[in-house]
Amino acid sequence: SQQGEEDPQALSIQEGENATMNCSYKTSINNLQWYRQNSGRGLVHLILIRSNEREKHSGRLRVTLDTSKKSSSLLITASRAADTASYFCATVGTSGSRLTFGEGTQLTVNP
Amino acid sequence: DTEVTQTPKHLVMGMTNKKSLKCEQHMGHRAMYWYKQKAKKPPELMFVYSYEKLSINESVPSRFSPECPNSSLLNLHLHALQPEDSALYLCASSQVPWRGEAKNIQYFGAGTRLSVL
Repeated sequence: SQQGEEDPQALSIQEGENATMNCSYKTSINNLQWYRQNSGRGLVHLILIRSNEREKHSGRLRVTLDTSKKSSSLLITASRAADTASYFCATVGTSGSRLTFGEGTQLTVNP
Repeated sequence: DTEVTQTPKHLVMGMTNKKSLKCEQHMGHRAMYWYKQKAKKPPELMFVYSYEKLSINESVPSRFSPECPNSSLLNLHLHALQPEDSALYLCASSQVPWRGEAKNIQYFGAGTRLSVL
């Protein structure tokens, strides 16, 4: 069963614009991760944020975490056509439970 | 080397066939995973191996049989599959088994696209 919900389900933007994706989850977590998946390929880990962190940056990526609202957001700045992919959030529970994926956001960046 | 290699990339099989999917990593990871992914859906966990022992089986039908011959290899044996088993099968590995620690980052292979006729 999937813990997380992501919105939007699909997002289409122009190159150079920023893209924001949101993820909500239901139970307490140890950390939350974001993965990217190009069409028909494997997932690639992007960034991990721990439950005691509120914001993290990696290159053009910015992740926020609000444990009181059980939500996270992924911001991709100055998007490129190569950023076109599905983006999944995934949580790791406090009891050492499994990596639980959200439903994903399909991002399309138009040249 | 952060690569997880899966073979074959594509597989077409009939419902009476027996086939195997293979996965290999040389990162020294001691946890390995099989996921099933349908189109436009997130990966669904099937099996977890921790230190070469099966630690999680997500109530997967017995027509899927995992095997971990050593710390670098993971196989998924397939027998008498159904058309609804057609999907992308992903293998992943991680540095430690799930323990609620921060280092639960998983490294994924490119997957095997399976079609069952």
